[in-house]
Amino acid sequence: DTGVSQDPRHKITKRGQNVTFRCDPISEHNRLYWYRQTLGQGPEFLTYFQNEAQLEKSRLLSDRFSAERPKGSFSTLEIQRTEQGDSAMYLCASSSMVSRTPEYNEQFFGPGTRLTVL
Amino acid sequence: AQTVTQSQPEMSVQEAETVTLSCTYDTSENNYYLFWYKQPPSRQMILVIRQEAYKQQNATENRFSVNFQKAAKSFSLKISDSQLGDTAMYFCAFGTGTASKLTFGTGTRLQVTL
Repeated sequence: DTGVSQDPRHKITKRGQNVTFRCDPISEHNRLYWYRQTLGQGPEFLTYFQNEAQLEKSRLLSDRFSAERPKGSFSTLEIQRTEQGDSAMYLCASSSMVSRTPEYNEQFFGPGTRLTVL
Repeated sequence: AQTVTQSQPEMSVQEAETVTLSCTYDTSENNYYLFWYKQPPSRQMILVIRQEAYKQQNATENRFSVNFQKAAKSFSLKISDSQLGDTAMYFCAFGTGTASKLTFGTGTRLQVTL
């Protein structure tokens, strides 16, 4: 297993265009997270999935953002009508949730997709 | 809502020396976890060390250790025998008892020099 992978690594787009990013988690990890990291800041939570169910969305996730995890494996994050403020690093992480007890489950991060909106 | 504060934007340490990175947090939760993540330049974030809030003993991982002061809501990271490979951004993070989303601080850029 090579860890969490993200594609593309870099994306340059013009304002108003739609973009889609893909995340492949570590196999058998049932939880998948999306974060956004702007320059000089720490990652900010966007949303997360347990299997195919989207369990929580941040207020940061405007109507222009949509995330899916159709078969509980890979996930996509789509941004419609991109704005310059969307320029950021988009990070994906995955973890396994093996029980219902409040145990710690380490999140493993991918390399990120750097989005630049011109 | 939880908040995490890292008041040191940049730190520098000489190789083989010890450095301490500071982190404070605010929460009303009783069951939570604290983490230090390392993000090397142009590389992905990796977990350095974690601390369960219900454990009084400070966590240690080789050259990395924490000073967890629950009442003061303080969680500092000590790096002993600093190495050039420790050069990175370090993020303090908070997670709830169900270990779902993480709340990160703004990071401390650590430079290890010869």
